[in-house]
Amino acid sequence: GAGVSQSPSNKVTEKGKDVELRCDPISGHTALYWYRQSLGQGLEFLIYFQGNSAPDKSGLPSDRFSAERTGGSVSTLTIQRTQQEDSAVYLCASSFQANTYEQYFGPGTRLTVT
Amino acid sequence: DQQVKQNSPSLSVQEGRISILNCDYTNSMFDYFLWYKKYPAEGPTFLISISSIKDKNEDGRFTVFLNKSAKHLSLHIVPSQPGDSAVYFCAASALSGGSNYKLTFGKGTLLTVNP
Repeated sequence: GAGVSQSPSNKVTEKGKDVELRCDPISGHTALYWYRQSLGQGLEFLIYFQGNSAPDKSGLPSDRFSAERTGGSVSTLTIQRTQQEDSAVYLCASSFQANTYEQYFGPGTRLTVT
Repeated sequence: DQQVKQNSPSLSVQEGRISILNCDYTNSMFDYFLWYKKYPAEGPTFLISISSIKDKNEDGRFTVFLNKSAKHLSLHIVPSQPGDSAVYFCAASALSGGSNYKLTFGKGTLLTVNP
């Protein structure tokens, strides 16, 4: 079956521009997660959606970052007024429920801010 | 402050030998630990996990050992195969806490298995 997909796979943007990153989770998965991996670092939790519950946004690094999940499926991570330190690989994961050991990751979007 | 540490950025072993990847943690609230494997240009894939009520979990060639008193866990791969060459991430979660979905990851260890 189809796994988690993310688009675009690569994105180069100029400092100050806004970007949108998309995640299509596995069908039927109610939980969706966004992580960020900066160069030489581990994966950093950003935000978590579970069903219709209010998302956990505690990992978002600044108010320039926001995410939404429409219809309980596709999610979009938006970064406004991008900065060079936003350059990283942004990974999306989904799971059937909030079972941490069953998070299925997408291939990621590599964001480069010039 | 890094709560999950993988102090070896890389490890190289010969095919057929044992690979041992180490991970240390500082948060005593962590009670569930996972290892993920990541190939280039792909997302991490779950490999094996262990609950803090156990000290060992085995799945085929992969065994994870947990030493709670030392806040240390290790992943053993035996025998190692060239296809095991990847970045291995250690992750931890506080399942008994309210945010049990949050995984805290280490920086990863690049394993290279030489034929």
